[in-house]
Amino acid sequence: QKEVEQDPGPLSVPEGAIVSLNCTYSNSAFQYFMWYRQYSRKGPELLMYTYSSGNKEDGRFTAQVDKSSKYISLFIRDSQPSDSATYLCAMTGTGNQFYFGTGTSLTVIP
Amino acid sequence: KAGVTQTPRYLIKTRGQQVTLSCSPISGHRSVSWYQQTPGQGLQFLFEYFSETQRNKGNFPGRFSGRQFSNSRSEMNVSTLELGDSALYLCASSLDPVFYGYTFGSGTRLTVV
Repeated sequence: QKEVEQDPGPLSVPEGAIVSLNCTYSNSAFQYFMWYRQYSRKGPELLMYTYSSGNKEDGRFTAQVDKSSKYISLFIRDSQPSDSATYLCAMTGTGNQFYFGTGTSLTVIP
Repeated sequence: KAGVTQTPRYLIKTRGQQVTLSCSPISGHRSVSWYQQTPGQGLQFLFEYFSETQRNKGNFPGRFSGRQFSNSRSEMNVSTLELGDSALYLCASSLDPVFYGYTFGSGTRLTVV
């Protein structure tokens, strides 16, 4: 079983839709959670960072962590064509190694 | 502010050869990590260097090695290349990955034929 599971998609939504991206994990020691966005032919860029459980909001993006269910989510409101990218979740416990999901490919159609 | 620079961007090598990839981190970042990205496995951690010392290591064979110089620049070496080593190799730098996350370079696309 992989440490982190992420639905690869692809996910296709119309512009303005609310997008929900999710990851599940198996290691209860994970406490630092991140979301990265990766455009084609580029490296991932950090989008959101959350410590332990709870919600964090930044503009159109909201990250949620439910440690009891070992489940994290990223919500994108009012999605834009520029949001079309691959979204990667990442997490770690003590920081000695980060575990990434395989990524969800998102396309926002104008 | 300059980002993380990886060279070369593309490489084609033959099985059995060795290859060296280079990474220049963001100025002031002493932590440099390397990841292998493939479509099936996603990002897999290779190793992290901090102030010239390997601080953490992933589950890759000894053919994969790295080093960090006093100016924080890092190199990754893969010896005796195999077809399965074809991947995008990403370098990431940080002040501290746990608290600040990574800044990634655009990667080196390695193709082994």
